Amino acid sequence: AQKITQTQPGMFVQEKEAVTLDCTYDTSDQSYGLFWYKQPSSGEMIFLIYQGSYDEQNATEGRYSLNFQKARKSANLVISASQLGDSAMYFCAMRSISSNTGKLIFGQGTTLQVKP
Amino acid sequence: SAVISQKPSRDICQRGTSLTIQCQVDSQVTMMFWYRQQPGQSLTLIATANQGSEATYESGFVIDKFPISRPNLTFSTLTVSNMSPEDSSIYLCSAAPDRKAGELFFGEGSRLTVL
Repeated sequence: AQKITQTQPGMFVQEKEAVTLDCTYDTSDQSYGLFWYKQPSSGEMIFLIYQGSYDEQNATEGRYSLNFQKARKSANLVISASQLGDSAMYFCAMRSISSNTGKLIFGQGTTLQVKP
Repeated sequence: SAVISQKPSRDICQRGTSLTIQCQVDSQVTMMFWYRQQPGQSLTLIATANQGSEATYESGFVIDKFPISRPNLTFSTLTVSNMSPEDSSIYLCSAAPDRKAGELFFGEGSRLTVL
């Protein structure tokens, strides 16, 4: 079975500083994808970044980067130069590539608040 | 990418009634899913909506309570049956063009309040 764990229920960061949101996962699959989504108070789910299990380089998308450590089964999200608009709930998620289910399993989420 | 429209966006329902949520995708997709997000919680997968066949339900969710239809590659419905206050949640439709790769796209959700 797959499991995603986010151990930080809430985080604070000062505007313009960097912040790391933790995510660990457990899977027996050899091939899988890791995702981060942002959910602002409006409720929409916004895709941020993706890391494939066989990707050798850490994924980056603008101010977002994923610190992928496969041996430790961690996929932490780093947000650089935080902005007030980054205040939201952040979810780490995993999708098996090996299996044929296609489904996405989510962690518990981390609420990030950016202070001015 | 895929744009997903859900309706209703919100509703207030009476205990014991049923409500059907519609999900329309602007392009044909391989996979469609239904998630539930209880207040302040994460997203929990209810089921995979299979085109032309019965949905695949996750542990803890049953067809009698959450019947799902998917008549084609762009449309699905979720019915929440015999509702109780515990069913008050956001229900999200999601879709993936590919079975194995790429992200899931999400609708804006249907916020149900059961009195």
